[in-house]
Amino acid sequence: SYELTQPPSVSVSPGQTARITCSGDALPPKYETKFAYWYQQKSGRAPALVIYEDSKRPSGIPERFSGSNSGTVATLTISGAQVEDEADYYCYSTDSSGVFFGGGTKLTVL
Amino acid sequence: EVQLVESGGGLVKPGGSLRLSCAASGFTFSNAWMHWVRQAPGKGLEWVGRIKRKIDGGTTDLAAPVRGRFSISRDDSKKMLYLQMNSLKTDDTAVYYCTTLPVGVNDNWGQGTLVTVSS
Repeated sequence: SYELTQPPSVSVSPGQTARITCSGDALPPKYETKFAYWYQQKSGRAPALVIYEDSKRPSGIPERFSGSNSGTVATLTISGAQVEDEADYYCYSTDSSGVFFGGGTKLTVL
Repeated sequence: EVQLVESGGGLVKPGGSLRLSCAASGFTFSNAWMHWVRQAPGKGLEWVGRIKRKIDGGTTDLAAPVRGRFSISRDDSKKMLYLQMNSLKTDDTAVYYCTTLPVGVNDNWGQGTLVTVSS
């Protein structure tokens, strides 16, 4: 089965850019049309989608959230991180055999 | 408004069984592949399994840690999703979420139900 690897923690000061990576062979090249998705989870709540299909932002998600996918590494970028962005972030991908989550990254904005 | 509401969680002894339910509303349930995802206390998200819609065969896929012990079923007429959990282990202690997972931008999760496996 695939594994998606994320750094356990990332720490930035307010206003700085936070980058969270997700690497693994569950993010195949574009011709296989598999995408990376990103969730934000705050304590005690269900996860909320912040990026879908590599780089698209759902309605209501601030423009400071962006995503990219090089083929084997997906990156969530928060440009000008705010204190309210402090949360756990998970990447997610899927193929015909199942569904895969990264281990999660705790973002601290302090 | 899309709603997913889980129920059936609780305290169960190791080796016991529990059935979780998820009531769906606000979307065409029969068209959706449905998933269960769990999260152990202080840990990350773990996919448990999925059930495809009937026109795609209605088959299930289960993650390796629960294969042979858990099963997933659905009742499209009632818009209900189920997770039957047998031979429960302490490692199965988690909040269990019912979710559609994203299809494009459409992504819906329930509030979760806590399952505690302890003697």
